[in-house]
Amino acid sequence: GAVVSQHPSRVICKSGTSVKIECRSLDFQATTMFWYRQFPKQSLMLMATSNEGSKATYEQGVEKDKFLINHASLTLSTLTVTSAHPEDSSFYICSAIWESSYNEQFFGPGTRLTVL
Amino acid sequence: GQNIDQPTEMTATEGAIVQINCTYQTSGFNGLFWYQQHAGEAPTFLSYNVLDGLEEKGRFSSFLSRSKGYSYLLLKELQMKDSASYLCAASDSNYQLIWGAGTKLIIKP
Repeated sequence: GAVVSQHPSRVICKSGTSVKIECRSLDFQATTMFWYRQFPKQSLMLMATSNEGSKATYEQGVEKDKFLINHASLTLSTLTVTSAHPEDSSFYICSAIWESSYNEQFFGPGTRLTVL
Repeated sequence: GQNIDQPTEMTATEGAIVQINCTYQTSGFNGLFWYQQHAGEAPTFLSYNVLDGLEEKGRFSSFLSRSKGYSYLLLKELQMKDSASYLCAASDSNYQLIWGAGTKLIIKP
């Protein structure tokens, strides 16, 4: 149990376009979902925390107008990278928690974004 | 401020034992997690400690001392597939995870 999926796993796009990444909890209702970014050889950096039906809470330095997060249901959150630039190329990972998981985060497999 | 420290890289021999240390400073504390991350993949959960002491799970064990702000991950009977990064993360008073930079473990035959 406690499986989280992400789609797509890899995406290559041109500079200036927008990319949407989906994160789904497959067998549980996620009270909270997290979006992380990870640059090569670096640790996970929390971008934002989202709760179903409310606005996401963004970490300092993360542009909310550039990284749009929509948490429309208890099983789906989306991250849209708007007007992507090469410096946005990174590994994006989502995670989810549910009330009884004693705050253990279950991670999706990640999405590798490459902006040309 | 909140801070997690762990060694950047460690090397060990197949079949041996290795201990990866982690020290933390957080605003409040709701537990310490260890995750394993292979290159290009998402982290996978290894262990969770919230009380002092040693938790053993197969070849992996994790220890916590809350008074010292210290944890370690012990890996026994190392296998080549254990080559990965090991991430230490502390849960603060808001249940947010504060991540260490990860320890890259290199296993040699």
